Amino acid sequence: SQKIEQNSEALNIQEGKTATLTCNYTNYSPAYLQWYRQDPGRGPVFLLLIRENEKEKRKERLKVTFDTTLKQSLFHITASQPADSATYLCALERPGRRALTFGSGTRLQVQP
Amino acid sequence: DGGITQSPKYLFRKEGQNVTLSCEQNLNHDAMYWYRQDPGQGLRLIYYSQIVNDFQKGDIAEGYSVSREKKESFPLTVTSAQKNPTAFYLCASSITGSDTEAFFGQGTRLTVV
Repeated sequence: SQKIEQNSEALNIQEGKTATLTCNYTNYSPAYLQWYRQDPGRGPVFLLLIRENEKEKRKERLKVTFDTTLKQSLFHITASQPADSATYLCALERPGRRALTFGSGTRLQVQP
Repeated sequence: DGGITQSPKYLFRKEGQNVTLSCEQNLNHDAMYWYRQDPGQGLRLIYYSQIVNDFQKGDIAEGYSVSREKKESFPLTVTSAQKNPTAFYLCASSITGSDTEAFFGQGTRLTVV
């Protein structure tokens, strides 16, 4: 069956360090993958999209990589700040379905 | 301001009653979506619509119904057939086509007592 897996355990890091979150998928061959941020009680907010022919994408302190061989995307936040504390979700589009399927998300806690 | 609006933010209903959640967008998006989120879980797709007067079932459509009579609106009805309706419901919209970002509303938290 098709699965999107994110580490369900919260990630705790110190301010200023780099946070790295993982998204693994099985039995998909997505043309692209997206990352969203979700704060408690709020709707997700789009952060970055990376296509299958792109190895890496950057936006300010954010960096996403996409390894179609490993079936994995890594999401990095450099120089992390307490304001980066949130749940981060990866999402992709399943074949034949024009709608995003989301992973369960990883909660990031940045300690001051 | 362009955006997607869900109302109400909190909703309480008695068991056995149908309830309709509102979702309106003024982004001129053709596609709209409904997701359900349970505590500590990711988003699960209920229904989606790529164009007016057309919609498709997602992964957990049982006990739910939708309509798409207008481009701006995609209401979700939680029927009494839904076994465990208490959850956080999220509506989203996007332009059609692949690799487009989804814009989400602020969600409706439904509690059935």
